[in-house]
Amino acid sequence: DGGITQSPKYLFRKEGQNVTLSCEQNLNHDAMYWYRQDPGQGLRLIYYSQIVNDFQKGDIAEGYSVSREKKESFPLTVTSAQKNPTAFYLCASSLFTNTEAFFGQGTRLTVV
Amino acid sequence: DQQVKQNSPSLSVQEGRISILNCDYTNSMFDYFLWYKKYPAEGPTFLISISSIKDKNEDGRFTVFLNKSAKHLSLHIVPSQPGDSAVYFCAASARNTGKLIFGQGTTLQVKP
Repeated sequence: DGGITQSPKYLFRKEGQNVTLSCEQNLNHDAMYWYRQDPGQGLRLIYYSQIVNDFQKGDIAEGYSVSREKKESFPLTVTSAQKNPTAFYLCASSLFTNTEAFFGQGTRLTVV
Repeated sequence: DQQVKQNSPSLSVQEGRISILNCDYTNSMFDYFLWYKKYPAEGPTFLISISSIKDKNEDGRFTVFLNKSAKHLSLHIVPSQPGDSAVYFCAASARNTGKLIFGQGTTLQVKP
């Protein structure tokens, strides 16, 4: 089945450790996005990529890093520089800019 | 700077009546707008979209209206059903940047 897959669904890490969240899509989409949602809040854009080997910072990129070496993959690393990493992270993809974006099921990251 | 705003955190309507969810934006470069439905701990699901060259788009019970001069869009759901109860997000994108920005969300409750 075609879709976008985030793994794992739940992730626990100790404070000060880097952690990488996986996002894979087999929809042949060019564009991919990472968002963060905090309780009672909207979706805030972390990073986005319009095409393979290219990505741009979103509104809250500090403390995060990404790569887009393959069209189908857009992993997000939450570094120790991120002050409040505990959140629900959502990955999305779209065929290209200004088309519908489809979301994965999310990864809930808890840092203790 | 919140470029996409949903000023009503919640809305409650009776089953069978119309639900109207509102969204305002500030960036005149936005040229594509979307509405999503979201349940807790899940990824958002795409509902309907509209290009800036149109002022209305309809899909079944869902209609989106765009007023470019007012930088305002709305989602009408008629008739509302209890299964429509969820958080609704509006989103906007600009072809020249590739960003996809979301509002804070409105929680809709449809009472039987």
